[in-house]
Amino acid sequence: RKEVEQDPGPFNVPEGATVAFNCTYSNSASQSFFWYRQDCRKEPKLLMSVYSSGNEDGRFTAQLNRASQYISLLIRDSKLSDSATYLCVVNSMDSSYKLIFGSGTRLLVRP
Amino acid sequence: NAGVTQTPKFQVLKTGQSMTLQCAQDMNHEYMSWYRQDPGMGLRLIHYSVGAGITDQGEVPNGYNVSRSTTEDFPLRLLSAAPSQTSVYFCASSYVGGWQFFGPGTRLTVL
Repeated sequence: RKEVEQDPGPFNVPEGATVAFNCTYSNSASQSFFWYRQDCRKEPKLLMSVYSSGNEDGRFTAQLNRASQYISLLIRDSKLSDSATYLCVVNSMDSSYKLIFGSGTRLLVRP
Repeated sequence: NAGVTQTPKFQVLKTGQSMTLQCAQDMNHEYMSWYRQDPGMGLRLIHYSVGAGITDQGEVPNGYNVSRSTTEDFPLRLLSAAPSQTSVYFCASSYVGGWQFFGPGTRLTVL
């Protein structure tokens, strides 16, 4: 089983739609959780950290469910510019500072 | 701040050649890492370092060497290039346990 698993998508949604991605992780002791965004042929960039109580940044909301070991990302009012691959990131089983990246979920927002 | 810089941006090698991918950061981060990204595979950790003089292997270390003589620099050496090493290579840095900043990547083709 992979340490971090994501649905590869693509999710194809119209502008203005709400879309949600889930990610599951295998290390119950993980303490660090992040969502990154990666545009085509570019480096990954941090979108937001994920906190235990959940957190929001504008149109983006991240949730953590420790009991079920999954993380979610909700994007409201999708924009064309949200089209990208979203990477779920969790710290490694064997080290608190090594990060393990999911393979990513691709989002396509259409006009 | 320049952040994380990588050189070269593109490189073509012949099988059996060696080369060094350069990575530098000016944020005084302790943690630096190298990843490779292949289509559909996500980011895979090659080597990482938690400080000058300390390095360790990641998920896919074979065929690569690293050293960390200064906090700023973390070069990745390909000992004898093989076509299987054709990939995009990203260097990243962070404070230990923090989220990682990525460099712009090096696109390597091995013929």
